[in-house]
Parts: sequence; structure tokens; C-alpha cells
Amino acid sequence: AQKITQTQPGMFVQEKEAVTLDCTYDTSDPSYGLFWYKQPSSGEMIFLIYQGSYDQQNATEGRYSLNFQKARKSANLVISASQLGDSAMYFCATNMNTGFQKLVFGTGTRLLVSP
Amino acid sequence: DGGITQSPKYLFRKEGQNVTLSCEQNLNHDAMYWYRQDPGQGLRLIYYSQIVNDFQKGDIAEGYSVSREKKESFPLTVTSAQKNPTAFYLCASSTPRTSNTHSNQPQHFGDGTRLSIL
Repeated sequence: AQKITQTQPGMFVQEKEAVTLDCTYDTSDPSYGLFWYKQPSSGEMIFLIYQGSYDQQNATEGRYSLNFQKARKSANLVISASQLGDSAMYFCATNMNTGFQKLVFGTGTRLLVSP
Repeated sequence: DGGITQSPKYLFRKEGQNVTLSCEQNLNHDAMYWYRQDPGQGLRLIYYSQIVNDFQKGDIAEGYSVSREKKESFPLTVTSAQKNPTAFYLCASSTPRTSNTHSNQPQHFGDGTRLSIL
């Protein structure tokens, strides 16, 4: 069974500062992917960044980077230079090692960016 | 532009009524998925389909039904057997993971349908 844990129900950050959103996972599969999604108040899920279990380097996408620590089973999202538009729910998810992408989601972290 | 279209944006269901949520994609993705999201929670998988004319139950399939007659379309019916249907429903699609690589493709989501009970 897989499990995704996001222990921070809410986070506050000031504009232009960096913030780290925590995610730990528990899977017995040797091959898996970790995904981060952003959900604004409008509801759509926006894909941000992906990390594969076999990737040697931490993933980066613009202001988003993933602090992947495989031994600790953590995949924290780092947002640099926060913007007001970053205020949203953020979900960490992982997939099973199968031919399809069944995603298991955490409960999410609500990020509020203040001016 | 390529994407996923869900309709309607808001839907109301009367007691004992079946309602159908539409999901159409023009991304040429083989796999499609339906998720349910309750307030303050993550997404839970209802049904998924890897290919046309084939679909499997997810974690919370009871009270729901789907069909996959076309690659582009994956409608979800919320039946009267679903006693607590009020939720936000999200449809997603993806290319299937290839067997010779550890690459994982992200799922792309529609804008969702909010279903409420009258």
C-alpha cells in the first residue's frame, strides 16, 4: 500500500521569500514517481513538477524545485521568490509501479503569500 | 489549444436521480481518470480507463458508473446509489507509462464539476 503524508495543513510566507512544503511517502515499489500539483481557489489542478525514484538529480522547474531525499522518503517542494499568485493548495502525489498512472494524493498544504 | 473540458461547472442532483458529468480531452491521451475531492481532502480515484472500451474501478467506485466508447470521452454517472454525492469531481488524462523507461507522465486535469444535492 502507498501513503502520502503532508504534515503542514497551512503555511504562511512573505512575498519574495522562499518556502518549503513537506511531503513524505511510503511505498514498497522500487520504481515510482512523485508529483506536485497546485490547486488555486478556482479548483483546477495544475501540474508543477515531477521526480522519478531513479533520477539522480533533484528536479527543477523555474521557481519550483524538489528536495528529494530517497533514504528518508521525502520529496519536499521548494518555491523560491514567492509571489502573491502562489497562494493556493498544494498536493503531493505518487503513482504505482504499473502501466498506468494511478495517483495517490496527500491531504494538501494551503499556502498563503502575504505582501 | 489542447486540454480537458469538463461540463457542467455546477450540477445539482435531486433525490433518486442519476446525473452524468462530461469529460472530453483533445490531448490524444489513452488513459483517463475520475477523481472525487471532498472539502479539506486530497483526491480519491473513482474509475480509470487505460484504453477505449475498457475501464477499472478505483478506490471509491460504489455508486458511480463510467463508459469509454471514444478515446476523447470518459463520462461519469453518479447514480442514486451514491448516498453522499456532494463533492468536487475532477477528470484527468495521461499518456500511459512506457514499459522500457522509468519515465512517468503527469496527469492533466480539467477544471472540475461541483455537484450538490437539492
